[in-house]
Amino acid sequence: NAGVTQTPKFQVLKTGQSMTLQCAQDMNHEYMSWYRQDPGMGLRLIHYSVGAGITDQGEVPNGYNVSRSTTEDFPLRLLSAAPSQTSVYFCASSYQLGVGSPLHFGNGTRLTVT
Amino acid sequence: GQQLNQSPQSMFIQEGEDVSMNCTSSSIFNTWLWYKQDPGEGPVLLIALYKAGELTSNGRLTAQFGITRKDSFLNISASIPSDVGIYFCAGQPVSYGGSQGNLIFGKGTKLSVKP
Repeated sequence: NAGVTQTPKFQVLKTGQSMTLQCAQDMNHEYMSWYRQDPGMGLRLIHYSVGAGITDQGEVPNGYNVSRSTTEDFPLRLLSAAPSQTSVYFCASSYQLGVGSPLHFGNGTRLTVT
Repeated sequence: GQQLNQSPQSMFIQEGEDVSMNCTSSSIFNTWLWYKQDPGEGPVLLIALYKAGELTSNGRLTAQFGITRKDSFLNISASIPSDVGIYFCAGQPVSYGGSQGNLIFGKGTKLSVKP
């Protein structure tokens, strides 16, 4: 059982480049989300999805796009990377949004924007 | 937005010591969760709490959901070297605007071994 799989593990981008961070889960979870982790800031919610075809913004959505065409996949797109987006990105999923559904995390993508 | 105040930010442990950390907020929470993150990995769930006053153990770890619903505590008894890592509290507030139901996280407590 793979759980939540994120690729790539590491990525270096130049300012202005675009890329997509991949996230897939094999637990048939309805809820998926993206967090970024910065030193001293904890985990901050970027975007989330409560099911295929439904996405919404979290606390820090600017500069990121998401889509959810299948239950399994929830890619995060950076359209024009900026140095402020240097961070570690975590994808997480749970059975559903709400009480009683703890998040399961992937192992993260470490992104550096120069 | 709503915030969780997690303390201490960091602490050093000697093997065999007991460790305590906590999270507080000005808001009321439905759920409290405690996660541990090892270097290079994602956070892993340790304990989940769903009711005010609930006390739950997982091996040497014990966590409590505060009676006021605004705080939670995590204790680690007789610490061992593999307890080193970052511990995060996370809570699901009763109301959280447009992102209702999503978890918010504390900034973490970094546990290190005393030199």
